[in-house]
Amino acid sequence: KNEVEQSPQNLTAQEGEFITINCSYSVGISALHWLQQHPGGGIVSLFMLSSGKKKHGRLIATINIQEKHSSLHITASHPRDSAVYICAVGYGGATNKLIFGTGTLLAVQP
Amino acid sequence: DGGITQSPKYLFRKEGQNVTLSCEQNLNHDAMYWYRQDPGQGLRLIYYSQIVNDFQKGDIAEGYSVSREKKESFPLTVTSAQKNPTAFYLCASSIVGVGYSNQPQHFGDGTRLSIL
Repeated sequence: KNEVEQSPQNLTAQEGEFITINCSYSVGISALHWLQQHPGGGIVSLFMLSSGKKKHGRLIATINIQEKHSSLHITASHPRDSAVYICAVGYGGATNKLIFGTGTLLAVQP
Repeated sequence: DGGITQSPKYLFRKEGQNVTLSCEQNLNHDAMYWYRQDPGQGLRLIYYSQIVNDFQKGDIAEGYSVSREKKESFPLTVTSAQKNPTAFYLCASSIVGVGYSNQPQHFGDGTRLSIL
């Protein structure tokens, strides 16, 4: 069993839909990261959170430490949101090492 | 603009040949990381370095080597001992140290390595 599990693996949505991607983890963590990987391969950090909720534009990330679960929400989805979304957990303290989920491939159709 | 530069974007290796992937950062970060990404798998850590002239093995270091002679540079060599080198390789950097736990990692655009 992977230490970081994401669901769904693939997601197709229509433009304007509300999207949720889930991440569950089984290890003790110091922080959880949400990353976005575009088709070219480069990765951008979206959020880093250790409790509660963060919002940036149309993106919202939440975490429940007791349930070891996080969600990434996209409101009013747009085709430019199409990418792979990756959940990663930090456990290494000062080394800042991460364990990565396998990613969720999102396709938003116009 | 500060960032991480990986080169080349595409690289082809012949059997039995060593190849070196470049990673340069101008973010003044102490820590640098190399990851390998395979289809259907999460990124896996190959090597990481927290300071110049020091580096540590990650989860899949066999068949790889690194050096950290300068703060800005962390090249990865894929040796002939790596039997399945075809993958997408990503370099990252971050701030680390006392008082700097849980920092975001900044990633390069990756190098795709294929075997001829």
